[in-house]
Amino acid sequence: LAKTTQPISMDSYEGQEVNITCSHNNIATNDYITWYQQFPSQGPRFIIQGYKTKVTNEVASLFIPADRKSSTLSLPRVSLSDTAVYYCLVGALYNYGQNFVFGPGTRLSVLP
Amino acid sequence: DVKVTQSSRYLVKRTGEKVFLECVQDMDHENMFWYRQDPGLGLRLIYFSYDVKMKEKGDIPEGYSVSREKKERFSLILESASTNQTSMYLCASSFPGQGSPPTNEKLFFGSGTQLSVL
Repeated sequence: LAKTTQPISMDSYEGQEVNITCSHNNIATNDYITWYQQFPSQGPRFIIQGYKTKVTNEVASLFIPADRKSSTLSLPRVSLSDTAVYYCLVGALYNYGQNFVFGPGTRLSVLP
Repeated sequence: DVKVTQSSRYLVKRTGEKVFLECVQDMDHENMFWYRQDPGLGLRLIYFSYDVKMKEKGDIPEGYSVSREKKERFSLILESASTNQTSMYLCASSFPGQGSPPTNEKLFFGSGTQLSVL
């Protein structure tokens, strides 16, 4: 079971780039890295997923070094609406959820 | 867009009551999940189902049961509600990953049901 460690909270200002790093030393060969975003009073929402190197979509970028023992979610030019909790998940959900663990996440506060 | 609908946004129940939480998804997903979320503990998996009438225990199944009679509907049942089951309950569904190795399934969550047991 791949355990993840990420900062409990982060503060940023509008317009800045935010990088949230997740450590996953026990990642297995077939594990993907997935990030979710959760706003207050809502369920989590998928942001991005990657296996190695770099993945970019319209919302964020995900950087994964060669050893895959960590990953960094990058949010470009954050706005107040990016204030949320961000979860890093590692594991193969196709093994039916047993090793897909949501930790406490990182609470990002974007300040004006 | 995938829609996962939970029947109630807020529920208040008494200790000892039998409580039903309903979840419906509209994307023909095979897999459905029930999580509970408590402050400081993140999301914890209660039960999941990978097919109609199939169910598997998650990390914290005690005090709960589930029912999946139709593919689109997954119900969580609190047989005898207790105060320590006061929580936010989140339902999710997913479709299988793709590629080799297969990607993680993407979970689609409902908005949650805040249950208070008094």
